[in-house]
Amino acid sequence: QVQLQESGPGLVKPSETLSLNCSVSGGSISSHYWSWIRQPPGKGLEWIGYIYYSGSTNYNPSLKSRVSISVDTSKNQFSLKLSSVTAADTAVYYCARHGGPYSNCHFDYWGQGTLVTVSS
Amino acid sequence: EIVLTQSPATLSLSPGERATLSCRASQSVSSYLAWYQQKPGQAPRFLIYDASNRATGIPARFSGSGSGTDFTLTISSLEPEDFAVYYCQQRSNWPPTFGQGTKLEIK
Repeated sequence: QVQLQESGPGLVKPSETLSLNCSVSGGSISSHYWSWIRQPPGKGLEWIGYIYYSGSTNYNPSLKSRVSISVDTSKNQFSLKLSSVTAADTAVYYCARHGGPYSNCHFDYWGQGTLVTVSS
Repeated sequence: EIVLTQSPATLSLSPGERATLSCRASQSVSSYLAWYQQKPGQAPRFLIYDASNRATGIPARFSGSGSGTDFTLTISSLEPEDFAVYYCQQRSNWPPTFGQGTKLEIK
């Protein structure tokens, strides 16, 4: 059973960079695409971006200028960096696996999510 | 970007009743639509992919239908554990987008 676990600071100051890791267990990261998705409190879901084990990435145009996703296959994990954060970036951040061999896909396994609050 | 509009925003039903949730796309997404269930404090749970295919382990009371711009998630007979928020998601056009959700509540 594939499991994903997000980790990182729960509080980030405005204008700083949000950094999160997603550890994958129960399967190899070198077999699927992997995404970050976020959900502001009480609101809907927003896709942030994906990475393939090879390192290829793509990002939501609405966040592209501030987002970077990387992968470490030796640790079976991938990471998210979101720069110049504001209160609007306060959300639960999820990592998720693509459910097929497609860059644009549905998401079959999700981490439990981690709340990141942007506040001074 | 494709906009997905879900209706109704809230659906109030009793256990044992049939639930019908709608998702409408701003342009055709072919059959590339998925459904998720989310309970408070939990991650979304993957239910249906490509409009009508149940994910592994999903009970047969959940079914999906539709193509093009109009899609439906049907729960044939509601169990107490089915009361949650449901989201649709398209993978036809870039970027992938989600609907705003339908809250299924106990009447």
